[in-house]
Amino acid sequence: NAGVTQTPKFRILKIGQSMTLQCTQDMNHNYMYWYRQDPGMGLKLIYYSVGAGITDKGEVPNGYNVSRSTTEDFPLRLELAAPSQTSVYFCASTPGQAQETQYFGPGTRLLVL
Amino acid sequence: AQSVAQPEDQVNVAEGNPLTVKCTYSVSGNPYLFWYVQYPNRGLQFLLKYITGDNLVKGSYGFEAEFNKSQTSFHLKKPSALVSDSALYFCAVRIRSGGYQKVTFGTGTKLQVIP
Repeated sequence: NAGVTQTPKFRILKIGQSMTLQCTQDMNHNYMYWYRQDPGMGLKLIYYSVGAGITDKGEVPNGYNVSRSTTEDFPLRLELAAPSQTSVYFCASTPGQAQETQYFGPGTRLLVL
Repeated sequence: AQSVAQPEDQVNVAEGNPLTVKCTYSVSGNPYLFWYVQYPNRGLQFLLKYITGDNLVKGSYGFEAEFNKSQTSFHLKKPSALVSDSALYFCAVRIRSGGYQKVTFGTGTKLQVIP
């Protein structure tokens, strides 16, 4: 199993541009998550999904959108990039139960200038 | 509301010495507690977790953690630190909130093991 994969690894965007961060998992996990990591701030949940077709907002959803058309894929969309969205983005997945661990992707580093 | 606190931004320890990375939590209900490690330019990796039972939990790479309900703590420990243990460590707590198992991460503690 490849686990959780993310593309791209690094991207520079201009203010106002849009892009999609890709996330794929091959473990047949029901739950998937998008986090952003800022220095000294830990991880903040952007959006999560409990299964195909079901998504919900996390702590910091403004400026982002998601979709979950399949179990495997959970893309994150930035419509109008802003400097405040400069961060490292991590995708994660779990089978679904509260006691289960999260599996993280390698991250996407995004710089908005 | 649930929260996790990692009071130390950085911990320095000499190679071969024991290490402790602190974590305290605040939840209403029974928590599931986790430790993750992040190496530079990598995603978080699972180290260990407390679900129920024995308060001393053993995990990967020789790490262990002790669940202390009275002190609401879950400190990460290792008897003898290695230079390769240098990384960013995150404590996390998870409980059920409605139909979703909300997970809250601490802000992370940078562990520096000095040769």
